[in-house]
Amino acid sequence: DAKTTQPPSMDCAEGRAANLPCNHSTISGNEYVYWYRQIHSQGPQYIIHGLKNNETNEMASLIITEDRKSSTLILPHATLRDTAVYYCIAPLSNFGNEKLTFGTGTRLTIIP
Amino acid sequence: NAGVTQTPKFRILKIGQSMTLQCAQDMNHNYMYWYRQDPGMGLKLIYYSVGAGITDKGEVPNGYNVSRSTTEDFPLRLELAAPSQTSVYFCASSTTRDSGWAFFGQGTRLTVV
Repeated sequence: DAKTTQPPSMDCAEGRAANLPCNHSTISGNEYVYWYRQIHSQGPQYIIHGLKNNETNEMASLIITEDRKSSTLILPHATLRDTAVYYCIAPLSNFGNEKLTFGTGTRLTIIP
Repeated sequence: NAGVTQTPKFRILKIGQSMTLQCAQDMNHNYMYWYRQDPGMGLKLIYYSVGAGITDKGEVPNGYNVSRSTTEDFPLRLELAAPSQTSVYFCASSTTRDSGWAFFGQGTRLTVV
């Protein structure tokens, strides 16, 4: 797995876009970037993933730099329910990876 | 579909007791994982399995054992419980084709006293 680095905490005003960065400078060509979030003590929930193109779904957008060394998860209009810990991971490969490891993530607090 | 189901949700154990945390998934996923999460910390991988009959150690396997006799079930066994095993335990599963996209259970909160 590529090592990922995230800021330990961030704040964002309600209604604004939350931009969560992740550094994965050791990522290899076939490693996807995945984002999860964990609300309070619930099980983590998958948000989005990508390889090199930007991705968007109903939850968020994922911007991956051209050199793939970093990415940004964007929550376009943050709500109080987006307060959670967000994890960025880069497993060895999208196909056949067995060891799924997580770091400590970014604790995002949405401010009313 | 129920997804990933963990039982029990809560449990208090005395030091030295043993127990099995149950995990079942109904999505026919080959990959299954066990994590522990201590208060305020991230997820630590305990054991994982790539299919029935195949298991391997993760980052923190000491004090735990697993088995995988079926695709659906992946129980985690704690032998001789210690206070250091007080934690929230999460089970997850994923497909072979998209193994980074994991589905998590709601967790088992274990306290060892």
